[in-house]
Amino acid sequence: GEEVAQTPKHLVRGEGQKAKLYCAPIKGHSYVFWYQQVLKNEFKFLISFQNENVFDETGMPKERFSAKCLPNSPCSLEIQATKLEDSAVYFCASSQVRNQPQHFGDGTRLSIL
Amino acid sequence: DAKTTQPNSMESNEEEPVHLPCNHSTISGTDYIHWYRQLPSQGPEYVIHGLTSNVNNRMASLAIAEDRKSSTLILHRATLRDAAVYYCILSSGSSNTGKLIFGQGTTLQVKP
Repeated sequence: GEEVAQTPKHLVRGEGQKAKLYCAPIKGHSYVFWYQQVLKNEFKFLISFQNENVFDETGMPKERFSAKCLPNSPCSLEIQATKLEDSAVYFCASSQVRNQPQHFGDGTRLSIL
Repeated sequence: DAKTTQPNSMESNEEEPVHLPCNHSTISGTDYIHWYRQLPSQGPEYVIHGLTSNVNNRMASLAIAEDRKSSTLILHRATLRDAAVYYCILSSGSSNTGKLIFGQGTTLQVKP
């Protein structure tokens, strides 16, 4: 598609439950990036992929967070045993090559109760 | 990662030009200057980027200081739809992993 598609738009989970977010990058884009926006203007890079390979995971919390980009499937970001502090908007972005402008989806708002 | 400094907020009148400043005094020779904006309830949107020379596109212009320690995003005629948070971001051309390091950004209000 011509847009980065993120699903669901809003996800509500009880503390301790699992959360799984999905991202379909723009067709033909080789790079996928995940970002977390906790407060209004505070973004944190989580992880990036080059096709199905992890490219940079320096922002990923060591525990509970995992991500995949498998061929012919949307990319996914999974959080095990969610905590209140995981409440945030999670954005996915894609680009054709690494240094080109990134195209962002509209995000998934994760609310942990 | 080199850091950027922007004013927290700015105001503009509709149909007037807007100059959004960004300081990046620790920029290295291979760092690109990117601008993204985030409209309410949306993901960030690419605006423009440059290395050394001034750049123009259909959305905006980017003026880069000769010493590259600062830059200015210019919206030539602000509209109400330009009200957003504008982020100035540096990305390293040498060791670039592509990730964007967002700062606090400038919240632009456009008054009718």
